[in-house]
Amino acid sequence: QSVLTQAPSASGTPGQRVTISCSGSSSNIGSNTVNWYQQLPGAAPKLLIYNNNQRPSGVPDRFSGSKSGTSASLAISGLHSEDEADYYCAAWDASLNAWVFGGGTKLTVL
Amino acid sequence: EVQLVESGGGLVQPGGSLRLSCAASGFTFSTSWMHWARQAPGKGLEWVADIKQDGGEKHYVDSVKGRFTISRDNAKNSLYLQMDSLRAEDTAVYYCARGNPFGVYWGQGTLVTVSS
Repeated sequence: QSVLTQAPSASGTPGQRVTISCSGSSSNIGSNTVNWYQQLPGAAPKLLIYNNNQRPSGVPDRFSGSKSGTSASLAISGLHSEDEADYYCAAWDASLNAWVFGGGTKLTVL
Repeated sequence: EVQLVESGGGLVQPGGSLRLSCAASGFTFSTSWMHWARQAPGKGLEWVADIKQDGGEKHYVDSVKGRFTISRDNAKNSLYLQMDSLRAEDTAVYYCARGNPFGVYWGQGTLVTVSS
């Protein structure tokens, strides 16, 4: 059981906009920023979004993040087949004194 | 180019010990928080531990407290994870990751298998 809650799966067709949600509590998302990671099959994770909505250099602007209260969202617009991957949210939890991850959302591009 | 290369994984019996290493290059190691995270086969990501730039502050996930120790050698640009009293549930690919922000770079991981 992950501290942050994500739907296990999501899907979309090429060109579509997809949103992946992450729900937490006042001790993590409610009081700290959220990061999002993409993990392609067989690969190491890659940072997509940090500080709720900032993109590291090289991440396309098709990827965007937002946060409201104790929830956060990752939006992918203009879906590509290569976006098929697992997506994870993470935040620092001030009660646990630990980073916590969501259980991950497997995105399928139909 | 930033590189993080983990080593030290392998097969170990329950109750045994293993020391993982992560060699860093391409960035100023001594100015970065560093992290270990893991992923059990077919499962999601789990953060394991982190360590401040000077080694003076460390945090651990509850499940490894008292068994795992994170350390670093800034002169050698290296991060370590000493794992003692290993359990079957510690079986996973272990990744080292750079902080500031957390996970801005990841290594390719090293597999630890705890089994008799």
